[in-house]
Amino acid sequence: SQTIHQWPATLVQPVGSPLSLECTVEGTSNPNLYWYRQAAGRGLQLLFYSVGIGQISSEVPQNLSASRPQDRQFILSSKKLLLSDSGFYLCAWSPTIYTEAFFGQGTRLTVV
Amino acid sequence: AQSVTQLGSHVSVSEGALVLLRCNYSSSVPPYLFWYVQYPNQGLQLLLKYTTGATLVKGINGFEAEFKKSETSFHLTKPSAHMSDAAEYFCAIAPTGGGNKLTFGTGTQLKVEL
Repeated sequence: SQTIHQWPATLVQPVGSPLSLECTVEGTSNPNLYWYRQAAGRGLQLLFYSVGIGQISSEVPQNLSASRPQDRQFILSSKKLLLSDSGFYLCAWSPTIYTEAFFGQGTRLTVV
Repeated sequence: AQSVTQLGSHVSVSEGALVLLRCNYSSSVPPYLFWYVQYPNQGLQLLLKYTTGATLVKGINGFEAEFKKSETSFHLTKPSAHMSDAAEYFCAIAPTGGGNKLTFGTGTQLKVEL
């Protein structure tokens, strides 16, 4: 069966520090991969999605970036964190473009 | 562009009472619709989905939803609430015309009281 791993579960980082969140999927090939951010009272916002290695689409302008160095690995990064980057970050995958997405357990990021 | 609107950011019901969480959608093409549940500090879990076919969809934990095209709605219901149903619920839409960029509603926090 397929599983998705996301880490770390919680992270407290100072303003201006770099960020790297990692997500990996097991048990499938060529998944579609997604990064969402959930801010209090604002639902889920799609940040990036990828349909293949090296193929990244950005949905919103921000100081975050994403990379997909391997088929089942998706990384969310920032060179310098802002206070507004605080939130709950969720990685997800889907097997095709017409199916539901399956979510990781999320990372609670607090920028202080 | 497609979107979903969830009416009511907070809903409170008594244990054993009917649960009704509302979701209306906007889409220029026939949508795929989903309901997810999120427990505190966890990821989202799929409750049920509508793609094509039967408009009444049954999901896990006794939940069901009915796709009503004429009303552009996909409301989530459960006949009898349980304390364990307390969570946040998200309605989502995906376009059938291409891509799978799920668009989520802002969520409804369900509280179940004794």
